[in-house]
Amino acid sequence: EAQVTQNPRYLITVTGKKLTVTCSQNMNHEYMSWYRQDPGLGLRQIYYSMNVEVTDKGDVPEGYKVSRKEKRNFPLILESPSPNQTSLYFCASSLIQGVDGYTFGSGTRLTVV
Amino acid sequence: AQSVTQLGSHVSVSEGALVLLRCNYSSSVPPYLFWYVQYPNQGLQLLLKYTSAATLVKGINGFEAEFKKSETSFHLTKPSAHMSDAAEYFCAVSVSQGGSEKLVFGKGTKLTVNP
Repeated sequence: EAQVTQNPRYLITVTGKKLTVTCSQNMNHEYMSWYRQDPGLGLRQIYYSMNVEVTDKGDVPEGYKVSRKEKRNFPLILESPSPNQTSLYFCASSLIQGVDGYTFGSGTRLTVV
Repeated sequence: AQSVTQLGSHVSVSEGALVLLRCNYSSSVPPYLFWYVQYPNQGLQLLLKYTSAATLVKGINGFEAEFKKSETSFHLTKPSAHMSDAAEYFCAVSVSQGGSEKLVFGKGTKLTVNP
């Protein structure tokens, strides 16, 4: 089944403890992206990647890192999480830039205390 | 900057009634437009997309949307609401910026279907 898989689905952590949210797609998509969803603010792009080793900042990149060493994987790294990063995170991928829209993962609900 | 505006953060309809969710876009070039649906505790699922072919686009679950350039609108409709349509709906526009690309989302409309 074609899908984007995120792990974990739920995570509670403490301020300052480094964490990684994994994202993997099995559709051979070149484009991958991370979004965060917050009440009243909708979805905002954090980072995206056009291909292996090519990444760029989105609208809200502060406090996040990404890497794209393999085409299928696009992990999101929070080096020192803070409470304002408590949010619902989505990974998404797309075959053709712009035209196809994105296939989204099921989301990761992160709580930083 | 290209953006979308969804009118009405909450819409409530009766089962069997017409569903109309409004989306207006701002774009200086012909846009790619999308509607997504999000069910509770799930990710976003693509309902339909407009990519400059037919102006009336049919999607999954009986939904359709009409691209109206003169009104800069891309409203989502369904003739007869079903209880299973209760969800949050997002309109989005694809924005290209100097080799980068992103989907810019509206703030969403939560649809309630009453029995």
